[in-house]
Amino acid sequence: EPEVTQTPSHQVTQMGQEVILRCVPISNHLYFYWYRQILGQKVEFLVSFYNNEISEKSEIFDDQFSVERPDGSNFTLKIRSTKLEDSAMYFCASSNTGQVTNEQFFGPGTRLTVL
Amino acid sequence: GNSVTQMEGPVTLSEEAFLTINCTYTATGYPSLFWYVQYPGEGLQLLLKATKADDKGSNKGFEATYRKETTSFHLEKGSVQVSDSAVYFCALNLGTYKYIFGTGTRLKVLA
Repeated sequence: EPEVTQTPSHQVTQMGQEVILRCVPISNHLYFYWYRQILGQKVEFLVSFYNNEISEKSEIFDDQFSVERPDGSNFTLKIRSTKLEDSAMYFCASSNTGQVTNEQFFGPGTRLTVL
Repeated sequence: GNSVTQMEGPVTLSEEAFLTINCTYTATGYPSLFWYVQYPGEGLQLLLKATKADDKGSNKGFEATYRKETTSFHLEKGSVQVSDSAVYFCALNLGTYKYIFGTGTRLKVLA
């Protein structure tokens, strides 16, 4: 069964460093998303991406964040200068349509720890 | 604002016990409602959904009914199994790309 994969499973970085989290969405999906969950808190939407551009983003997704689909298979989230409060589990998701009742398929997450 | 509130976990039950995980929501419009489940080491998977009031979503023995009058979408299962041990997330969508999730409720089922 096709699935969303994410690498690495755990990333440790120093404050101020840049990190890139990688995701491989399901191959025929066209819509891509990033969410994050700070420990003990809610899963929060960050951004959605379609047709090589951001279609929606939350107030969390400031200039420190960027997303890219560098090739036909990967979807990346870059954090330019990490802060302690960026420590969280980051989930990538994809869907084959943008309909709100359509399932988003999630990856297992990357745990980011900023020291 | 729009939000989802789930009961605090963890919930620990014996096998074959009845499960209820409460979920209530606040929304400015008419949301679609979802339950997602995350098994250890895996991503969130859609468990069931309901798109309008009084709809009942069901899957794998789990059920949830969209109650507009109480703004709730409680998850129930009549007889849980050890394999149901996971984290359960309630979520809503208001017609945009983003889901609004609760904090998740961890369920542990003991043999």
